[in-house]
Amino acid sequence: GQQLNQSPQSMFIQEGEDVSMNCTSSSIFNTWLWYKQDPGEGPVLLIALYKAGELTSNGRLTAQFGITRKDSFLNISASIPSDVGIYFCAGHLNTGTASKLTFGTGTRLQVTL
Amino acid sequence: EADIYQTPRYLVIGTGKKITLECSQTMGHDKMYWYQQDPGMELHLIHYSYGVNSTEKGDLSSESTVSRIRTEHFPLTLESARPSHTSQYLCASSEAGAKNIQYFGAGTRLSVL
Repeated sequence: GQQLNQSPQSMFIQEGEDVSMNCTSSSIFNTWLWYKQDPGEGPVLLIALYKAGELTSNGRLTAQFGITRKDSFLNISASIPSDVGIYFCAGHLNTGTASKLTFGTGTRLQVTL
Repeated sequence: EADIYQTPRYLVIGTGKKITLECSQTMGHDKMYWYQQDPGMELHLIHYSYGVNSTEKGDLSSESTVSRIRTEHFPLTLESARPSHTSQYLCASSEAGAKNIQYFGAGTRLSVL
């Protein structure tokens, strides 16, 4: 099946630093989603992207849908301790009634004060 | 804010017991999903449903079964729990249409002794 590779796998950063993570696929997608998961909770949607080249912001978060439709990146500016968690990308390709998402392997973010 | 609820949040049970994990959503979404996730790892789709009386197996083989008798309710059942079933189980739902944003419950953490 399709695979989404996220990098980096994990990262330690200082509070206030900017963060960048990306997601690459062997196949194209029509939709890219970015989720954050806190320990013991379900993933929460951060940003949704629907067009190749689209750049979308949500507060300190910015995400882009790659031109090739095979990649996406997420940036977090001026990180704070509550940014700690696991970030997952997810891709979707419309194929009739199929509505399954393919999830990435996750990027674990830890912030030091 | 997504209105999707999972119970119980935590379950510790002995081998061989039958269990049902509950999932309900109040958003009127047609599509519902079950994922299995080991701590800090990627999500694996085990079941999904496109509407009442529709259920399909996901990408990861699972010994669990599901039913969809009502739109808002998508329970998952394990007839005979085993230690290999120990994991976190996440339920999600999405509305019909192309956007395919899935909203997740908080999850059930299952431990089989």
